Amino acid sequence: SQTIHQWPATLVQPVGSPLSLECTVEGTSNPNLYWYRQAAGRGLQLLFYSVGIGQISSEVPQNLSASRPQDRQFILSSKKLLLSDSGFYLCAWSAHYSLNEQYFGPGTRLTVT
Amino acid sequence: SQKIEQNSEALNIQEGKTATLTCNYTNYSPAYLQWYRQDPGRGPVFLLLIRENEKEKRKERLKVTFDTTLKQSLFHITASQPADSATYLCALAGSSNTGKLIFGQGTTLQVKP
Repeated sequence: SQTIHQWPATLVQPVGSPLSLECTVEGTSNPNLYWYRQAAGRGLQLLFYSVGIGQISSEVPQNLSASRPQDRQFILSSKKLLLSDSGFYLCAWSAHYSLNEQYFGPGTRLTVT
Repeated sequence: SQKIEQNSEALNIQEGKTATLTCNYTNYSPAYLQWYRQDPGRGPVFLLLIRENEKEKRKERLKVTFDTTLKQSLFHITASQPADSATYLCALAGSSNTGKLIFGQGTTLQVKP
């Protein structure tokens, strides 16, 4: 069966510090991968998606970047965090064709102080 | 721009009653629509998918309708239980192979015993 992992679970970082969140998927190959951010009481905002290794599409201009160094690994990064980067970050995967549901990881709660 | 609206007010119902949640959208012609459940501090979990050419889909106590003329989906939980208390998100997608979804902000359901 497929599983998706995210770490860390929680993170408190000062403004201006770097960020690296990692997501890995097991039990499937060539998945579509997604990074979302969820502000408190809000819906999910799609940040990045990837349909293959090295293929990253950005949905909104921001202080973040994403990379996919391996088929089932998706990394979210920032060189300098802003207060507005605080939120709940979720990674998800779906099978590599349309109409399939997305499976979400447990999420990372990021607080920028 | 594309917009998805879910009732931002929490829905409070008595155990055993049917809960009905609404998802309205504008400026979009989705190929399909999905519903997810999200518990506090957790990632969303897929529940149901309905295609644009389907009027209704059922799964156990869940029923989803999709009216592309009204641009609306209704999500019903029959014989509701306190364990159904959660936030429910609707998501729309086009027909591209990216699997990208646009999420509503969610409606919180509270089922009281």
